[in-house]
Amino acid sequence: DTGVSQNPRHKITKRGQNVTFRCDPISEHNRLYWYRQTLGQGPEFLTYFQNEAQLEKSRLLSDRFSAERPKGSFSTLEIQRTEQGDSAMYLCASSLADHYEQYFGPGTRLTVT
Amino acid sequence: GEDVEQSLFLSVREGDSSVINCTYTDSSSTYLYWYKQEPGAGLQLLTYIFSNMDMKQDQRLTVLLNKKDKHLSLRIADTQTGDSAIYFCAESGGSSASKIIFGSGTRLSIRP
Repeated sequence: DTGVSQNPRHKITKRGQNVTFRCDPISEHNRLYWYRQTLGQGPEFLTYFQNEAQLEKSRLLSDRFSAERPKGSFSTLEIQRTEQGDSAMYLCASSLADHYEQYFGPGTRLTVT
Repeated sequence: GEDVEQSLFLSVREGDSSVINCTYTDSSSTYLYWYKQEPGAGLQLLTYIFSNMDMKQDQRLTVLLNKKDKHLSLRIADTQTGDSAIYFCAESGGSSASKIIFGSGTRLSIRP
């Protein structure tokens, strides 16, 4: 399977705990994006990387959220001190630079209890 | 600001055509997309159209773009039960060349 993969697929955590998600993009894609999708809504952009550089961050990305792409391949999204409002599906997508088609992974569903 | 609007639900009879409509506000949008999401799954890119095109056809899918009215539609011919899903209209290339702005999705249900 050469598509975008995300791990874990599901995560249940207690409020106040930290969580980390991983995304592996399509191998030749140098851009990687994170989106968040809540129930009944479309995905909302969080941030994106070109290679290892984080080029844009949404105002949705509070200081409890941090994303990295240290070697320009996989990326991690960490949420510190989780809150119930963080419960959502976290989607990762990848693309080639200057190509507008973004290909999405299956997502990580986070539930904060 | 950027906004993408679409109706929440559409019900069609199996074998009929489905038409899902969408409006957007950003006149500088460059690409417009239709994504499909099945239950528990990620988003599948169905098709996209560049803003200088009026129409794009791909097998059972026809996309129409009215740039003057900022209106996008997706027609699915001969709708099948496997087409049941949520369809998201989306745009990019406006204020940011990279992020995609999505609508809230239209849930398509198929009647026998």
